[in-house]
Amino acid sequence: EAQVTQNPRYLITVTGKKLTVTCSQNMNHEYMSWYRQDPGLGLRQIYYSMNVEVTDKGDVPEGYKVSRKEKRNFPLILESPSPNQTSLYFCASSIQSNTEAFFGQGTRLTVV
Amino acid sequence: AQSVTQLGSHVSVSEGALVLLRCNYSSSVPPYLFWYVQYPNQGLQLLLKYTTGATLVKGINGFEAEFKKSETSFHLTKPSAHMSDAAEYFCAVSQPNFGNEKLTFGTGTRLTIIP
Repeated sequence: EAQVTQNPRYLITVTGKKLTVTCSQNMNHEYMSWYRQDPGLGLRQIYYSMNVEVTDKGDVPEGYKVSRKEKRNFPLILESPSPNQTSLYFCASSIQSNTEAFFGQGTRLTVV
Repeated sequence: AQSVTQLGSHVSVSEGALVLLRCNYSSSVPPYLFWYVQYPNQGLQLLLKYTTGATLVKGINGFEAEFKKSETSFHLTKPSAHMSDAAEYFCAVSQPNFGNEKLTFGTGTRLTIIP
């Protein structure tokens, strides 16, 4: 089954404690991206990757890091989380940047 | 540059009534247009998309949308609402033939169905 898998689904952490949200896709897509969803703001792109070892900033990259060492995986790293990063996060993949995106189930992150 | 405006952050309709969710876009070239649906505690799922060709696009669950270039609109409709349609709906735009152009999402419309 074609899918994008994110883990964990829910995470509560404390300010400053590094965390990683994993994302994996099995569709051999070249393009992957991370979004955060906040009430009234819709989805905002954090980082994206056009291919292995190629990543770039999206609209709201501050406080986040990513890596793309393998085509299927695109982890999101928060080196020092802060309460304003409390949000719902989605990973997505697609054949190209402007084609249909397939989304993971989401990770609800709370930073206290 | 491209952008999407969804009019109405909340829409309520009675079960069996027409559903109309509005989306207007801005794009410097003929766009690709998408509607996604998000059910509670789930990720986004593609409802339908317009790339080229027929301007009336049919999607899953009885939804359809019409691309109107003159009005820069891509409104989503369904003739008869069902309780299972309650969800949040997102319109998105992208530009073809621009290698690095990404999907830009609207702020979403939450659809409530009144029994």
